[in-house]
Amino acid sequence: GAVVSQHPSWVICKSGTSVKIECRSLDFQATTMFWYRQFPKQSLMLMATSNEGSKATYEQGVEKDKFLINHASLTLSTLTVTSAHPEDSSFYICSARKGSYNSPLHFGNGTRLTVT
Amino acid sequence: KQEVTQIPAALSVPEGENLVLNCSFTDSAIYNLQWFRQDPGKGLTSLLLIQSSQREQTSGRLNASLDKSSGRSTLYIAASQPGDSATYLCAATQGGSEKLVFGKGTKLTVNP
Repeated sequence: GAVVSQHPSWVICKSGTSVKIECRSLDFQATTMFWYRQFPKQSLMLMATSNEGSKATYEQGVEKDKFLINHASLTLSTLTVTSAHPEDSSFYICSARKGSYNSPLHFGNGTRLTVT
Repeated sequence: KQEVTQIPAALSVPEGENLVLNCSFTDSAIYNLQWFRQDPGKGLTSLLLIQSSQREQTSGRLNASLDKSSGRSTLYIAASQPGDSATYLCAATQGGSEKLVFGKGTKLTVNP
């Protein structure tokens, strides 16, 4: 199988603080990982594409200085929400492919972020 | 820009019924289309992936079809069970890239 692990599963933080979310591919190497955000009753929206060893590619409207992505190894990508605000409260999910672009995308279990 | 629509938004059926979930997409230049299942507060589980050259894929009680010319895909669930209750998401790749664009999902409830 292909397992993607995401940590933490939930986090509560105060406004102005930063939060780091980890995404690991446990049994395969992933040169590319994807970070999504999901608001209640909404679809998943791609935030950025994380590329191992290079800068992430951000979608239009996503602030790269606020959502810092680091893909330091072939099995780990991190998303840091800097200076979090209540409007950043959301469900963040990472995903990775085991193989080429025509391979299924495998998702972590997501991180529920609540900013108070 | 790829847009994905899923109808209906919610569906409730009695156990044992066969059902069809619908997905439409605007850009037919896709690499593939993927169906996922999402349980409340959880991540996504990949169900089926159909490559652009394929017409359908089957896994157990699930069958997904793809008609690129009409921009449609369906997910057929046979002999539904209460454990099938979840939100089903359809996602299509966007404009010659591997990025997936998701629909809002269909929330399925199978009543015992």
